[in-house]
Amino acid sequence: KQEVTQIPAALSVPEGENLVLNCSFTDSAIYNLQWFRQDPGKGLTSLLLIQSSQREQTSGRLNASLDKSSGRSTLYIAASQPGDSATYLCAVFSSGSARQLTFGSGTQLTVLP
Amino acid sequence: ETGVTQSPTHLIKTRGQQVTLRCSSQSGHNTVSWYQQALGQGPQFIFQYYREEENGRGNFPPRFSGLQFPNYSSELNVNALELDDSALYLCASSLPESLGGYTFGSGTRLTVV
Repeated sequence: KQEVTQIPAALSVPEGENLVLNCSFTDSAIYNLQWFRQDPGKGLTSLLLIQSSQREQTSGRLNASLDKSSGRSTLYIAASQPGDSATYLCAVFSSGSARQLTFGSGTQLTVLP
Repeated sequence: ETGVTQSPTHLIKTRGQQVTLRCSSQSGHNTVSWYQQALGQGPQFIFQYYREEENGRGNFPPRFSGLQFPNYSSELNVNALELDDSALYLCASSLPESLGGYTFGSGTRLTVV
């Protein structure tokens, strides 16, 4: 059974800092990994999708990496802004799963002005 | 291209009642999945529909049921509501095998009193 863990559970940084969010998964047989952003009480916004054959994806100030063999992914946020404050969730789509995404519990990020 | 839309946005029901939540998938996506997100946790997979048939199910009791219509929209029905059913219910659409990733709606906040 796939399990996804995100560390840290919460993170508070001053504006302008670069930061890294971590995600680990137990079963390396995945199709892809997706990072989402969730604002309080809202739905999920897709940030980056990494296919299993890829090592990283970039979008603006965001860069996500994937090391499938070690079961790890990181989300790097450059020059953080208060508007980046949200919960960040990673999710994996496993080749052996019953057609489901398996989510971590998220990292709650607060960027202080 | 339209995104995933869910209705209603908020709902309050009494324990023992039944509820129906609705979802319209993103244009071109023929697979719909439903997730339950309790406060402070990552979303949990309920089930997925493809071509109007259930195509995978998570660890939820039979009182959680669904439908998918020919236009790929979907409903989630929950019978005999319990207090623990209070959560954010998220609908996601995708292509088969999710190689293109999932697109989530804004969710329906269900409160059972």
